[in-house]
Amino acid sequence: KAGVTQTPRYLIKTRGQQVTLSCSPISGHRSVSWYQQTPGQGLQFLFEYFSETQRNKGNFPGRFSGRQFSNSRSEMNVSTLELGDSALYLCASRASGTYNEQFFGPGTRLTVL
Amino acid sequence: DAKTTQPNSMESNEEEPVHLPCNHSTISGTDYIHWYRQLPSQGPEYVIHGLTSNVNNRMASLAIAEDRKSSTLILHRATLRDAAVYYCITYGNNRLAFGKGNQVVVIP
Repeated sequence: KAGVTQTPRYLIKTRGQQVTLSCSPISGHRSVSWYQQTPGQGLQFLFEYFSETQRNKGNFPGRFSGRQFSNSRSEMNVSTLELGDSALYLCASRASGTYNEQFFGPGTRLTVL
Repeated sequence: DAKTTQPNSMESNEEEPVHLPCNHSTISGTDYIHWYRQLPSQGPEYVIHGLTSNVNNRMASLAIAEDRKSSTLILHRATLRDAAVYYCITYGNNRLAFGKGNQVVVIP
């Protein structure tokens, strides 16, 4: 079974631009969560989608948004990029069931100049 | 999200057991205790989880205190591949709340 894939793996943008990141979960997994990882703040939860609905949201500004498609693939969008948005963005999927393990992708490294 | 406290770093000798402690004194009765680890340049990897009873799997063992305010991840024989940041997490509200983690160094 293929793992979680994320595209692109690396991205360079400038301040004020917007960016869209993509995540394909493991086949059969309907839950997709997004996390931001920075050296200063560590791993922080952004949001979770389940069956195309946002089920949970972390403490991030409205510039961070996401969506999930009927095939469970998910996208994350960041508008009006700031320097502080430079980070590793990780996506994780899990099977149905509240406490199942999450499977993480390799991440997308976003650099904002 | 219940806060967890772990040592910032630990060293272990190769092929010896490693005990990684975690305090989670504010854990709620329904929160699970999850452990993940992150190897350099990779996303986090699930290790083990439990609620009240001790748990074993092929990677590790999880010992949970009777009052659930602390737990210990046990790697039975550390290998160089076990060098990673280990995160102890209380899992509730469908989200993993990561702390700073414990950087484990394995000495050959």
